[in-house]
Amino acid sequence: DAKTTQPPSMDCAEGRAANLPCNHSTISGNEYVYWYRQIHSQGPQYIIHGLKNNETNEMASLIITEDRKSSTLILPHATLRDTAVYYCIVRVPDRGSTLGRLYFGRGTQLTVWP
Amino acid sequence: NAGVTQTPKFQVLKTGQSMTLQCAQDMNHEYMSWYRQDPGMGLRLIHYSVGAGITDQGEVPNGYNVSRSTTEDFPLRLLSAAPSQTSVYFCASSSRGGGYTFGSGTRLTVV
Repeated sequence: DAKTTQPPSMDCAEGRAANLPCNHSTISGNEYVYWYRQIHSQGPQYIIHGLKNNETNEMASLIITEDRKSSTLILPHATLRDTAVYYCIVRVPDRGSTLGRLYFGRGTQLTVWP
Repeated sequence: NAGVTQTPKFQVLKTGQSMTLQCAQDMNHEYMSWYRQDPGMGLRLIHYSVGAGITDQGEVPNGYNVSRSTTEDFPLRLLSAAPSQTSVYFCASSSRGGGYTFGSGTRLTVV
């Protein structure tokens, strides 16, 4: 499975955009990029996922480079409640014996300050 | 409320005891998984299931058993608890191709 690399920590001013990078240089053509976050010791929360195209939902935007070797999660207007650990994960698609697996790294601790 | 329900929320075991962590989801999701999270670490996959009657091992399966007799339930059994199994355990479920929904976790201490 493809592995991901993220900076261990980042900070951002409240109201500004938070841009969280992720490298996944060994990703295969049919593997999806997922983003989750974990606030304090709660269960991880799904944010967004994508394959090739950029994606946007009510929480965030996901920008995937054309070669798919890296991606950026964008929180357009960060708030204090966005302080969390953000995980970038490559998920193997639905087939064979690797159905449904997610492999988490250590993630990026994002701190939003007032 | 729809979601993933884990019980108990907290548990203390003595070394050698066995117990079952319960996980139930009411979203009719095919996929269910168990993860453990140690302090300062990301989540590691223990076991997962792609449907009733089908289970498989993840990264760290030793010392744990699972079964999936129904779509809704995916219990995790600790056969003989060890201090190294002190951790926070998360259960998660997903539809095919969708995002995972996680439970709130079970905090287990083995003394």
